[in-house]
Amino acid sequence: DTGVSQDPRHKITKRGQNVTFRCDPISEHNRLYWYRQTLGQGPEFLTYFQNEAQLEKSRLLSDRFSAERPKGSFSTLEIQRTEQGDSAMYLCASSLIVGGGKHTNEQFFGPGTRLTVL
Amino acid sequence: AQSVTQLGSHVSVSEGALVLLRCNYSSSVPPYLFWYVQYPNQGLQLLLKYTTGATLVKGINGFEAEFKKSETSFHLTKPSAHMSDAAEYFCAVRTNFGNEKLTFGTGTRLTIIP
Repeated sequence: DTGVSQDPRHKITKRGQNVTFRCDPISEHNRLYWYRQTLGQGPEFLTYFQNEAQLEKSRLLSDRFSAERPKGSFSTLEIQRTEQGDSAMYLCASSLIVGGGKHTNEQFFGPGTRLTVL
Repeated sequence: AQSVTQLGSHVSVSEGALVLLRCNYSSSVPPYLFWYVQYPNQGLQLLLKYTTGATLVKGINGFEAEFKKSETSFHLTKPSAHMSDAAEYFCAVRTNFGNEKLTFGTGTRLTIIP
């Protein structure tokens, strides 16, 4: 399977616990995005990487959130001291920037990790 | 700032009838526009996109959309609905030519009536 994969698919945790999610992008893709989708809403941008560099973070990404992409391949999103308001679907997407900055204009999304904070 | 408005959070159509899902955008720069579909407990799948060129774009599963700059619209249509079209549909605009991040609408849930 050459699509974007995310692990776990579901996570239930108690308030105050830390959680970590993983995203494996399409292998040749150099850009990786994280979005959050709450019930009844569209996805909202959180952050993105080009290779291993984190280039932008949304104001939605509080200091309890941290994302990494250490080798420019998979990425992790960690939430510390979870709150009930963190309950959402966390979506990862990847895309390819080729030479000269041309972009394929398509982000490929993974199946998401659904987080429930009790 | 860019934004997307999807009129109608829920749309129901009969099987075989026309599907019309509305999307209006706001953008200070020429937009790139997208329609994604989401099935329950799954990620988003790209249906179609408008970047430049022809304003009527065709996508997968018989869907198409027309970019109308004067109306700032990008409505999604399908001539004949199928039961398998039942899903959530999201319109999105690309907000920045540097980071390519997407701004999504709140979605329209499409129900197909047998």
